[in-house]
Amino acid sequence: GAVVSQHPSRVICKSGTSVKIECRSLDFQATTMFWYRQFPKKSLMLMATSNEGSKATYEQGVEKDKFLINHASLTLSTLTVTSAHPEDSSFYICSAPGGASGANVLTFGAGSRLTVL
Amino acid sequence: DQQVKQNSPSLSVQEGRISILNCDYTNSMFDYFLWYKKYPAEGPTFLISISSIKDKNEDGRFTVFLNKSAKHLSLHIVPSQPGDSAVYFCAARDIYGGATNKLIFGTGTLLAVQP
Repeated sequence: GAVVSQHPSRVICKSGTSVKIECRSLDFQATTMFWYRQFPKKSLMLMATSNEGSKATYEQGVEKDKFLINHASLTLSTLTVTSAHPEDSSFYICSAPGGASGANVLTFGAGSRLTVL
Repeated sequence: DQQVKQNSPSLSVQEGRISILNCDYTNSMFDYFLWYKKYPAEGPTFLISISSIKDKNEDGRFTVFLNKSAKHLSLHIVPSQPGDSAVYFCAARDIYGGATNKLIFGTGTLLAVQP
C-alpha cells in the first residue's frame, strides 16, 4: 500500500533556530503534498499545499516566510519552520494523494512533534 | 468558520455493539467525504470514503451513510471492538479550494470501546 514517510518524528529546538521536516512518498509519486498542523485535542488544520516544480499555496493566516515549503522532487517535500518560537510547538503532518487507496484518498505520514524551548 | 463539524467530542460503546459517529458540513460543493482513524502521536489512517453521488458505502464492519439534503454523514462500526478505540475524523474534499484532494477535517470524535 501507499506509504508516506516523515522525518524526524520528534524534534526539540531552541527559540530562534530553524527546523526542517521531510516528507517522502516511498512507493508512489506525488506532484502535490499537503502539510497539516494539529494542536492538542484539536482538528487537523491545513497549512499549505506543496506543488512540485512551483511555489506552495498557503492557507489564509499561515505565514509563508515562516513556514518554508520546498517540493524538490516527485517524492519529497520539506517544511522548514524558520526562527521558531514556542507557539510553533505542534504536531505537523504531511500527506499525499495516491497509492493503493486511489487518487481520491490522502495518505498521511506519521507526523513530526516539534517542541520549541 | 468550521465547515466540517463533529459535534460529539467523545463516544463510549460496549464491545460488540454498534458505534455511530456523526459529521455535519456546511459547504454544498464538497464532492467526496472520507473517514480517518487516528491514534495519538501518529498520522491519520484512511478507513472508508463516499462520493457525493452515493448515499451508502460499506466495507466490512464499516459503513458510511451520506444525507446530502441534511449535509450529514455518519460512520457505523458494527460490531465494535476494543481495537477500534481511537479518534475518528471525518473529512470533506473541497474541489474548488485551489487544489485537487484538498481535505477539510472535522474536529474529531474520541471513540472508546469498552471490553
